[in-house]
Amino acid sequence: GQNIDQPTEMTATEGAIVQINCTYQTSGFNGLFWYQQHAGEAPTFLSYNVLDGLEEKGRFSSFLSRSKGYSYLLLKELQMKDSASYLCAVRDTTGGYQKVTFGIGTKLQVIP
Amino acid sequence: GAVVSQHPSWVICKSGTSVKIECRSLDFQATTMFWYRQFPKQSLMLMATSNEGSKATYEQGVEKDKFLINHASLTLSTLTVTSAHPEDSSFYICSATAGTSNTEAFFGQGTRLTVV
Repeated sequence: GQNIDQPTEMTATEGAIVQINCTYQTSGFNGLFWYQQHAGEAPTFLSYNVLDGLEEKGRFSSFLSRSKGYSYLLLKELQMKDSASYLCAVRDTTGGYQKVTFGIGTKLQVIP
Repeated sequence: GAVVSQHPSWVICKSGTSVKIECRSLDFQATTMFWYRQFPKQSLMLMATSNEGSKATYEQGVEKDKFLINHASLTLSTLTVTSAHPEDSSFYICSATAGTSNTEAFFGQGTRLTVV
């Protein structure tokens, strides 16, 4: 199975930078996703990493280290609308079957 | 981007009745669909994974006879909550991918189920 850990809550200031960490343990790793979810809504895709390194997409960047089982999501120039939960999800393809499991999510509050 | 349509978006049913939730991929063939459940202030919990044409793989603790999943075509999967009880009230979300090499799992809008 998979064990995915991320902080439950974080607070950051508008205009600042925040880093949300995620660690995981899985036997058949085949990619890590970050999703944003506002309360009462379905998650929306932010980023995907399958190889080590940094993927940048506008104000959002995601980093992966497969050897360390570690990823982070970096949010720059924070805006109030970035207040949401950020979900780390790991895809495992052990046995030829695909499975995507989510962490508990990090609730980010952006304050003025 | 790819679209996954989930219906209904909300449903209220009486205890003991069954509810069917549909998940359709509108512009791609979804070889794998996932069903999640999310209780308030909690993350998405994977219930089952279904591959087109084969039986769903259920996560530990999820009753396969209570949550019936059918993935009969590459564009449609259904989740039926049988003999629903108030404790089944939750937010149910499906997601779909086109294969293991796909870079994204696309989500439906979610279904808010309330059992009274």
